[in-house]
Amino acid sequence: QKEVEQDPGPLSVPEGAIVSLNCTYSNSAFQYFMWYRQYSRKGPELLMYTYSSGNKEDGRFTAQVDKSSKYISLFIRDSQPSDSATYLCATFNQAGTALIFGKGTTLSVSS
Amino acid sequence: DVKVTQSSRYLVKRTGEKVFLECVQDMDHENMFWYRQDPGLGLRLIYFSYDVKMKEKGDIPEGYSVSREKKERFSLILESASTNQTSMYLCASSLRERAYNEQFFGPGTRLTVL
Repeated sequence: QKEVEQDPGPLSVPEGAIVSLNCTYSNSAFQYFMWYRQYSRKGPELLMYTYSSGNKEDGRFTAQVDKSSKYISLFIRDSQPSDSATYLCATFNQAGTALIFGKGTTLSVSS
Repeated sequence: DVKVTQSSRYLVKRTGEKVFLECVQDMDHENMFWYRQDPGLGLRLIYFSYDVKMKEKGDIPEGYSVSREKKERFSLILESASTNQTSMYLCASSLRERAYNEQFFGPGTRLTVL
C-alpha cells in the first residue's frame, strides 16, 4: 500500500462550486500534513499546513485532518477559475526528513 | 522572498549523454532536494542534502548522482541518460532549523531523452 493515496481526477466544476479534495495515508505516526498547489508549467507551492487532527482555515480554503480514519481533505469554497491547478497532499516521513506526496488531483474550474 | 532557480526549463538530450541539472537557492537554506514528477506517479524523491558535501538517497536514486559543493547549489547528474529518465525534474529547498519545514520549489526542468 502506498503511504499516501490520492485520486488523480481530473475534477471539473463550475465557478462558485464547493470542491472537496481528499487523500488517505497509511502510517498513523504521520503528524504533519500539507497541501501544495501546482499551476501548469510551475513548481508546487505550499497552500496549507496542518499538524495532527482538526481543521485549519485560510480564506476560501479549509484543510481538515481526521487521524482516526487517516483521512486528509482540502475544501475550496466559492471556487474560481484561478483555482484551476493540480493539488498535491503531502506528509513528512517519520524522521521528518522528507516529504511523501500523493499523486495529485487536477482541478478545472470553468467560468 | 525565497527563490529557487533551475538552470533550464526545457532540455533535450540523447541516450548515453551525461546530463547536469543545476539548482540554486538564494535564502541560505541548509536542505535541498531533487524530485522527478511523472504522470500517474506523482513526485518522487531522488536525492537530498542537509549540508555541503552531504547527500542522502531518496526513493529512486538509481541512475542518478548529486553534488553539493556550495550551500546554495545542488546539482543532479545523469551519468548516462536513458529514455526512462524523460521526466519533469523539480528542485526544492528548506531550512534545517526545524525538521518539519516548508519546502520551496523551483519551476522545474522538463528533460526529454531521445
